[in-house]
Amino acid sequence: DSGVTQTPKHLITATGQRVTLRCSPRSGDLSVYWYQQSLDQGLQFLIQYYNGEERAKGNILERFSAQQFPDLHSELNLSSLELGDSALYFCASSVLPTIPVYGYTFGSGTRLTVV
Amino acid sequence: AQSVAQPEDQVNVAEGNPLTVKCTYSVSGNPYLFWYVQYPNRGLQFLLKYITGDNLVKGSYGFEAEFNKSQTSFHLKKPSALVSDSALYFCAVRDRKNTGFQKLVFGTGTRLLVSP
Repeated sequence: DSGVTQTPKHLITATGQRVTLRCSPRSGDLSVYWYQQSLDQGLQFLIQYYNGEERAKGNILERFSAQQFPDLHSELNLSSLELGDSALYFCASSVLPTIPVYGYTFGSGTRLTVV
Repeated sequence: AQSVAQPEDQVNVAEGNPLTVKCTYSVSGNPYLFWYVQYPNRGLQFLLKYITGDNLVKGSYGFEAEFNKSQTSFHLKKPSALVSDSALYFCAVRDRKNTGFQKLVFGTGTRLLVSP
């Protein structure tokens, strides 16, 4: 157990729907990163939060949004889902908004299947 | 922008043989390089890193990586492969902006299959 908790582990939903993925960072970590892993594009950085504030955006679609709450857990909201959104979504955390010497700590991911 | 490339989608090796998973990088400045492993239904796990110092870096599970500045490579190696090493391996590089923001940029991954 890495200490980063992601729920749910699996999610199957229909096109056009909206889902929320949840991430609880490792205890003491203030920074949360979201990555999308798809078969054809590898791991793509989506967005980063640090202590409740958005720090950076990557290749995140306008249909996607995220936030980090006062208790430091983060949620990734995906709306108007399309088949191409099917992927594994990872959350990672670190203490600071920089890369630790030993890299991020990753959760086990949420597998989203859009049918 | 910083990037890494993993030229092989899959590497096959027999148990007991040495293995190499290739990674090349493109960075401005000094590279911070990482290798991660992903087992089925699991998150990415840190294997090893290169920041500075010795070009041969030792990591978890008997893996090591060789940093080669002239060839801009950071290949992952293990002297004797185990069936349990079968997994997806990612090379990554630190991307740092002038704003101070940092993130990891990952390669596309290489699937390692070790046959008994």
